[in-house]
Amino acid sequence: VQMTQSPSYLAASPGESVSISCKASKSISNNLAWYQEKPGKANKLLIHSGSTLQSGTPSRFSGSGSGTDFTLTIRSLESEDFAVYYCQQYNEYPPTWTFGGGTKLELK
Amino acid sequence: EVQLVESGGGLVQPGRSLKLSCAASGFTFSNYYMAWVRQAPKKGLEWVATISTSGSRTYYPDSVKGRFTISRDNAKSSLYLQMNSLKSEDTATYYCARRGYGSYYFDYWGQGVMVTVSS
Repeated sequence: VQMTQSPSYLAASPGESVSISCKASKSISNNLAWYQEKPGKANKLLIHSGSTLQSGTPSRFSGSGSGTDFTLTIRSLESEDFAVYYCQQYNEYPPTWTFGGGTKLELK
Repeated sequence: EVQLVESGGGLVQPGRSLKLSCAASGFTFSNYYMAWVRQAPKKGLEWVATISTSGSRTYYPDSVKGRFTISRDNAKSSLYLQMNSLKSEDTATYYCARRGYGSYYFDYWGQGVMVTVSS
């Protein structure tokens, strides 16, 4: 399964809302997770099962979608949200894990 | 607190071998599947290997199958990645990650260790 993430680059200002898309080449049900990557920090799981917030993820983050189309939305951006975001899918047979190409969210 | 600390990276010549280690703490290591994920310079994340709780089942993508071997020592709460026949395209930061219990996603990650394959 291939994962196509867009856009690859996004510029926004604090307080704005942004959305990141992730499309799977075939249906993956809701086996989709979103991660945040920041320099000098371990990658952080934000959302799993398409829309379930991981413990500790702020409520301004939300995930939606199922099948092939998924979206990560961040409402009311805060300074700490500027980072790189990755989607990831899981295919059960055979077990494989595939990441999207990433979206760099930068301060406008 | 869950901690995953990778070690063993460095500069290695093409065709040679290298073994990475990941020391886990803060959780019952033997209860979790574990994985390695890598990131080439300026590139995205790529899954490299996953191992079951007992070590009896391992999974790899085609890009490393037959060259890389994932293993674990539950008594030492340690994860390993033996990398053989290394290629320049294996140059990357390698992350140890814990697969969430009974799930498919990676709920904790280490900070990574750099591997450079170059002559």
